[in-house]
This record gives sequence, C-alpha cells and structure tokens, in this order.
Amino acid sequence: GENVEQHPSTLSVQEGDSAVIKCTYSDSASNYFPWYKQELGKRPQLIIDIRSNVGEKKDQRIAVTLNKTAKHFSLHITETQPEDSAVYFCAATGANSKLTFGKGITLSVRP
Amino acid sequence: NAGVTQTPKFQVLKTGQSMTLQCAQDMNHEYMSWYRQDPGMGLRLIHYSVGAGITDQGEVPNGYNVSRSTTEDFPLRLLSAAPSQTSVYFCASSPSGALQETQYFGPGTRLLVL
Repeated sequence: GENVEQHPSTLSVQEGDSAVIKCTYSDSASNYFPWYKQELGKRPQLIIDIRSNVGEKKDQRIAVTLNKTAKHFSLHITETQPEDSAVYFCAATGANSKLTFGKGITLSVRP
Repeated sequence: NAGVTQTPKFQVLKTGQSMTLQCAQDMNHEYMSWYRQDPGMGLRLIHYSVGAGITDQGEVPNGYNVSRSTTEDFPLRLLSAAPSQTSVYFCASSPSGALQETQYFGPGTRLLVL
C-alpha cells in the first residue's frame, strides 16, 4: 500500500520567515495530495491540495509543489505568523484509492 | 448546517467494556470514515463507507465494527475495549467516494481505556 513520510517531524521558524515542509510518497499511481492543518485540540482542516496534473498551486501565503518523478510534494508557507503554529499533515491517494496520511509535522512560529 | 458531529466528546472505559461512538453529518455526503489519532502516528483509517449499506476496512480495523444504515449516520462500535484503543477518534465525510476531495472532520472523541 501507499506509504507517506514527512520530514522533519518538528520545525521552528521565526515569525516572518518562510517554512517548507516536505512529504514523500511511495505509490507512483497516487494522483491527489492534500495538506491538512490541525491546531491544538481542534479537528484537521484542509488548507490546500494538488492533483498530479499540476506542478504547483498557490493560495495567498501558502503554496504546494509536486515532483512526480521524485515522488515528493512540499508545503511552502511565506511570511509566517504565530497563528500558523500547528500540526500539518500531508496525505496521498494511492492506487487502492484510500487516503493515507503522514505522521504530521509540528510547526512552531516564534514571535 | 452543523457539518460533522461526534458524541461523546470524552469517554472513560474499563477494559472489556463496549461502547459506540456516534458520528453524523447533515451535508448529504456519500463517503464517511473513521480515523484514530495517536501521538507520532498521524491519522490512521479504521473503517470507511462509500454509501448507505456499504462499509469496508481501513488500515487498523481490528477491535472495531461499523454499520451504515443511513446516509447521515456512521457509528463506530468498540466490541471489548482494550488500553491500546486509548486514542482520539475522528469521523470524516466527503461528498463522494472519489477521495480526491475535501475531507470534513468532526470535532473528535477522546477515549481513555483503563
């Protein structure tokens, strides 16, 4: 089955700096890659997603890039703010059509 | 719309007890699923349903049962609770079974098995 890995497991940045979170996946047939944000004690919520026919997608301060050859995709957050502090999960839909999540990355934005 | 709702918010069980975690959605979504979230393990799929009357196993189904008698409801049953089932449980739904669309999560149920 699909295996999704996230690196690093924790990330700390200074407010205003950029943050990049990378995920790798194993199933070359995967074609949908969402990112979810989970604030402490809250439910996960979708922040951005990308499909395999697109290389990059932006939404204000966040962007996602996809490299199908290397089987990795990354979340980019620019001008980070304290409210960006959360756990970020990447996921992929593989050939078995089940959504597989990574283990999550804790992003801390230092004021 | 209330979205996806879950009850209870918090539950303490003794080993061997059974219980049902409730999940309901009012968005007429076809696809519903249950995940458990453990520290450092991410979100792991327990069971899912692509429509009323249809259920299937996810990654970690052992010890759990589900049924889908209506589009709105998708309860998760713990047959004989074990300490290893201590976790936060999230129900999620999406409009169709394509899985290439937004998953809407409920607020979660925190379960402690002693």
